Amino acid sequence: GNSVTQMEGPVTLSEEAFLTINCTYTATGYPSLFWYVQYPGEGLQLLLKATKADDKGSNKGFEATYRKETTSFHLEKGSVQVSDSAVYFCALSEGSNFGNEKLTFGTGTRLTIIP
Amino acid sequence: DTAVSQTPKYLVTQMGNDKSIKCEQNLGHDTMYWYKQDSKKFLKIMFSYNNKELIINETVPNRFSPKSPDKAHLNLHINSLELGDSAVYFCASSHRGQPQHFGDGTRLSIL
Repeated sequence: GNSVTQMEGPVTLSEEAFLTINCTYTATGYPSLFWYVQYPGEGLQLLLKATKADDKGSNKGFEATYRKETTSFHLEKGSVQVSDSAVYFCALSEGSNFGNEKLTFGTGTRLTIIP
Repeated sequence: DTAVSQTPKYLVTQMGNDKSIKCEQNLGHDTMYWYKQDSKKFLKIMFSYNNKELIINETVPNRFSPKSPDKAHLNLHINSLELGDSAVYFCASSHRGQPQHFGDGTRLSIL
């Protein structure tokens, strides 16, 4: 079956540091890949996505590239802010357009940014 | 103008009780989902409905029964609550393979 493996947290960085959160996946077909972010006390928000190999998703200074050869979708940001403190989830989705496109999530990585 | 709204936000109840969580989306999406997030933040899908039809039914105890009265609503009823049901339950919706939008979650605590 499908699975997503994320780097273990928690991750603590100083403001303006470079961020990488590793994510690798196992899938039987050609999944779409996502990063979701969960701020304290809130639901999940889509951060970025990529739907095919070599696609790069980007949003709010975060980037991730769909690497089929290494089955990876690592999240990066060049200069983190205190407001980036949250839990980050890597996820994949397979299926048609008719309700069976379930998301398979990684375990989440808690990120804390220190001023 | 909340897109996916769940009620209640918090639910504290005793073991053995029956409770319901409601979800509504105003995005015009045709598919809705329930996910469970455990104490370690791990998220797992429970159910999905497309146009009121059950599509995904993961290995979930039959004490959990989803109901979709129309495309904009997906409710979750839980019978005979157990300690292990304590979690945050998230509703989500999507349309034709687009990314899923999540509600803010319902934190269920069983005493």
